[in-house]
Amino acid sequence: DAGVTQSPTHLIKTRGQQVTLRCSPKSGHDTVSWYQQALGQGPQFIFQYYEEEERQRGNFPDRFSGHQFPNYSSELNVNALLLGDSALYLCASSLPSGGTPDTQYFGPGTRLTVL
Amino acid sequence: GENVEQHPSTLSVQEGDSAVIKCTYSDSASNYFPWYKQELGKRPQLIIDIRSNVGEKKDQRIAVTLNKTAKHFSLHITETQPEDSAVYFCAARGLYNTDKLIFGTGTRLQVFP
Repeated sequence: DAGVTQSPTHLIKTRGQQVTLRCSPKSGHDTVSWYQQALGQGPQFIFQYYEEEERQRGNFPDRFSGHQFPNYSSELNVNALLLGDSALYLCASSLPSGGTPDTQYFGPGTRLTVL
Repeated sequence: GENVEQHPSTLSVQEGDSAVIKCTYSDSASNYFPWYKQELGKRPQLIIDIRSNVGEKKDQRIAVTLNKTAKHFSLHITETQPEDSAVYFCAARGLYNTDKLIFGTGTRLQVFP
């Protein structure tokens, strides 16, 4: 069973740089959500992609952007990195809910450290 | 706004005892409430979920209850084992918020042998 995968596992950047994180959803899933998890906190919703479009967005600045490809994989881009962007970035995949809730399966995450 | 409060932040129990974690949500339209277990350095893993059309759901040693009137839901773990030690997160999804999950702040559960 192909679960949710993410790359890279760890990443170290300096302030002002840009970063791209990648996610491949669970087999059969076509919806990808991104979350930011700061140390000791619960995951915070960044945005969700479905049919290659951003369907919903959380309270994150425009420095956070994303993309979904025809094969349903997704990228999260963060520009002008700040120290506060250091966190575990989680990707979750699910089937489109269409009003019926569906389970979100998380990937292992990418640990981003901004120096 | 959307908010999920979770208590307690830490919980220590003896092996074999029960553990209860409680959450309160703010959006009355929420209709789906999953619980995730996250071990150190690992991904959050779904352990049980409940939908708004039922009041209780059980899976072996784990159960979840939902009180829609009070906007409370709780996780109950019976006969705890050391391998239950982890951080547990509750979450709520709003009906009109597609798949956006609002997470609680987590409960660190320690089960002592």
